[in-house]
Parts: sequence; structure tokens; C-alpha cells
Amino acid sequence: DTAVSQTPKYLVTQMGNDKSIKCEQNLGHDTMYWYKQDSKKFLKIMFSYNNKELIINETVPNRFSPKSPDKAHLNLHINSLELGDSAVYFCASSPRGQFYGYTFGSGTRLTVV
Amino acid sequence: DQQVKQNSPSLSVQEGRISILNCDYTNSMFDYFLWYKKYPAEGPTFLISISSIKDKNEDGRFTVFLNKSAKHLSLHIVPSQPGDSAVYFCAASADGFGNEKLTFGTGTRLTIIP
Repeated sequence: DTAVSQTPKYLVTQMGNDKSIKCEQNLGHDTMYWYKQDSKKFLKIMFSYNNKELIINETVPNRFSPKSPDKAHLNLHINSLELGDSAVYFCASSPRGQFYGYTFGSGTRLTVV
Repeated sequence: DQQVKQNSPSLSVQEGRISILNCDYTNSMFDYFLWYKKYPAEGPTFLISISSIKDKNEDGRFTVFLNKSAKHLSLHIVPSQPGDSAVYFCAASADGFGNEKLTFGTGTRLTIIP
């Protein structure tokens, strides 16, 4: 029973398309995140939500929009995909203020062609 | 601006010996540090952490040392086992509660040689 699950695991799409990545956690955590790991292996935070409220919004293009319908779900929508969006996107969750409970999903490898 | 640096992209260690992974940081506001382990096609998993009020934290075979004056931390694994082969990420955070953003290094690939 996966704690933090992301779908799809792989996504190949053409430039200009719009795509979504879904994330669900069954740990009862209050906070969820999206991280991006680029080709240089940097793992950088994009967004965090606490109980459906946006907490962190790093410098991310407006084409990226997170949506949290409830505290167990945090989806990532990307409009007008560009080649530079190719990366591995990780969803994570944590109890608020407790880093040792920070749990990552297995990642979604997005390839834009 | 890379605030957390892992200067060794890879490290090979004989099974049974000690593995030492290093991490440097530049932001003096960081007050909590963590190590994550990552296997291929999986997300990072939490390994061990240390608060800035301590200089050492131990959990079984894993020990993290923090040298605040040098802005340096290290992870010691002893004895090293084949299952320890993975990529290890150092991460740091400032302003704990209410801002749980983690800043990661680029990782060190550890290979344990049987």
C-alpha cells in the first residue's frame, strides 16, 4: 500500500501540450509538495500546500499550476510544455514541522519532445 | 545559487569499511539537516537528521556529524554493506515550523564493492 503515489510514472509528450501529474498520500499528512529534479540532478522545491492552502510558491513559470482538492491530493498541471520542462517531478508529504516524516513518491519522468 | 553542495559525485568503498559522505552549506540560517537515500526509479527516503543544536546524531550504522563553524556535515556508514549502494542526498532547512522547504545537494553515488 504505497504511502505517496504519483501517476503517471513516465510521460512523453510534445511541445505545446498541456499535461497533468497526480499525487495522492494516505499517510494523513497535512503538507504536500512538488519537487523538480533537473538534468543536473538538482532537487528543487516548486510548491507546498498545507491542508489545501498554498504555502510555498518558488519561482516557477505560470504555466505550472498546482491544485489541491483535499489534503490527501496535490496535482500538478503544466500548460504549453517546453523542452526545458523535461525532468523528474517528485511529490512528497510530511506532517507539519516534522522533517523526519517527509515522504517522497517514486517520481514522474516527464520528457518533452 | 547552490546553497548545499556535495562535491563528490561518486564514492566507492569496500564492503565492511567505513563510508564517509560530505556536504557543505553556505546559508547560515539553516538549522536542520537531513540525509536521504535514493535507489533508481524510487523517491528519496529519509535516513537520518540532525538539528543545529547538536554536533552528532547516531542511528545504528549511520552517524551524522555537524560542524557549524565550518558549515560542514558528514554521514558515516559503518560497516558498509552492499545494500547501501545508492545515491545519498544532503538536505537543509531554515525556519523550521511553518516553512518546511528543503534545499538539497546534488547527491553522491555510493557504490559498495563486495
